[in-house]
Amino acid sequence: LAKTTQPISMDSYEGQEVNITCSHNNIATNDYITWYQQFPSQGPRFIIQGYKTKVTNEVASLFIPADRKSSTLSLPRVSLSDTAVYYCLVGEDGGSQGNLIFGKGTKLSVKP
Amino acid sequence: GAGVSQSPSNKVTEKGKDVELRCDPISGHTALYWYRQSLGQGLEFLIYFQGNSAPDKSGLPSDRFSAERTGGSVSTLTIQRTQQEDSAVYLCASSPQVGTEAFFGQGTRLTVV
Repeated sequence: LAKTTQPISMDSYEGQEVNITCSHNNIATNDYITWYQQFPSQGPRFIIQGYKTKVTNEVASLFIPADRKSSTLSLPRVSLSDTAVYYCLVGEDGGSQGNLIFGKGTKLSVKP
Repeated sequence: GAGVSQSPSNKVTEKGKDVELRCDPISGHTALYWYRQSLGQGLEFLIYFQGNSAPDKSGLPSDRFSAERTGGSVSTLTIQRTQQEDSAVYLCASSPQVGTEAFFGQGTRLTVV
């Protein structure tokens, strides 16, 4: 399994763009990169998934450089409600052949 | 149902008792996952099912933990002879197939006293 490394925490202010970078130096050819968001007292929620270059949806963008050894989740114009823990996962077809392994995640705190 | 349903939402049990936690996945989802999350910690992977079979049981913390899934639908996580360190939120997730987007339930908060 490709191990991921993320910052433990980040602070931001409302309206700013937030970029959370995840390192995955041992990513395999078949591995996808997936990000989940977890609010307190709730289960994680899927945000975005990508394999290479850039993926964008209504919530976020995911930037993946050519070597795929890292990825950056970009949240545009965050609000207080974006305060949550963000997890980066790497695995085959986004799921490591079934055992979705979550790291410690990045705790994002958005301040007014 | 509209989402993954877990029951009970809260469970307080005495040390040494057995508990059963239930997960109703989204209809048609073949993959089902169980996790444990202690207060302020990340998610600890326990086990996943592809249909009714569990290819990898190595994440279960001890032989007091077991899980089964019947009919490719409902899953039960059983903890025997509960210990205080078993206290945590137990989360279940399902996905249409292994590796696709996983949808999580609200979890069962287990407190062993």
